Amino acid sequence: NAGVTQTPKFQVLKTGQSMTLQCAQDMNHEYMSWYRQDPGMGLRLIHYSVGAGITDQGEVPNGYNVSRSTTEDFPLRLLSAAPSQTSVYFCASSRQGARGTEAFFGQGTRLTVV
Amino acid sequence: SQQGEEDPQALSIQEGENATMNCSYKTSINNLQWYRQNSGRGLVHLILIRSNEREKHSGRLRVTLDTSKKSSSLLITASRAADTASYFCATGETSGSRLTFGEGTQLTVNP
Repeated sequence: NAGVTQTPKFQVLKTGQSMTLQCAQDMNHEYMSWYRQDPGMGLRLIHYSVGAGITDQGEVPNGYNVSRSTTEDFPLRLLSAAPSQTSVYFCASSRQGARGTEAFFGQGTRLTVV
Repeated sequence: SQQGEEDPQALSIQEGENATMNCSYKTSINNLQWYRQNSGRGLVHLILIRSNEREKHSGRLRVTLDTSKKSSSLLITASRAADTASYFCATGETSGSRLTFGEGTQLTVNP
């Protein structure tokens, strides 16, 4: 099993450009999420999904869109890139569980906006 | 805002010593989890403790949870150079899936 796969691993964008970060998981997990990690700030939740067709905002959703058309895929779209979106982005998936379940993370996408 | 605050921010020890990291949080939780992140890599799950549990062990890891103080600790015994990494606590909401992360502790184990 591949687990959680993120593409690309590295990306440089110019201010104002748009792009989509891809995330796919092969574990049939219901729950998927996107985080950004900035130095000294830990991980902050951008958007999450509890199943196909259902998405919701996290702590820092502005400037990002998501959709969940299948259980496997959860792409993150940057609408108009800004330097403040320079960060490392992580996708994660987990089973739904009333008492909590472990999350599996991708290897990350390092995005630089110039 | 971050739910968890971790202490210390950085910890440097010698191989063979024990490492203790602490995490405090603000609201009621369903569970608390600890993750490890090696430099430039994704996060790897270490251990999950539920709100009705007080202590949990996994190999050289020991986690405690005190819900009255809204705090948790991670103890790594007999540390190794390979334990060098950042360690994050994450709290799970009542729904059980959404996680909120602390800022992490950078652990350096010197050989």
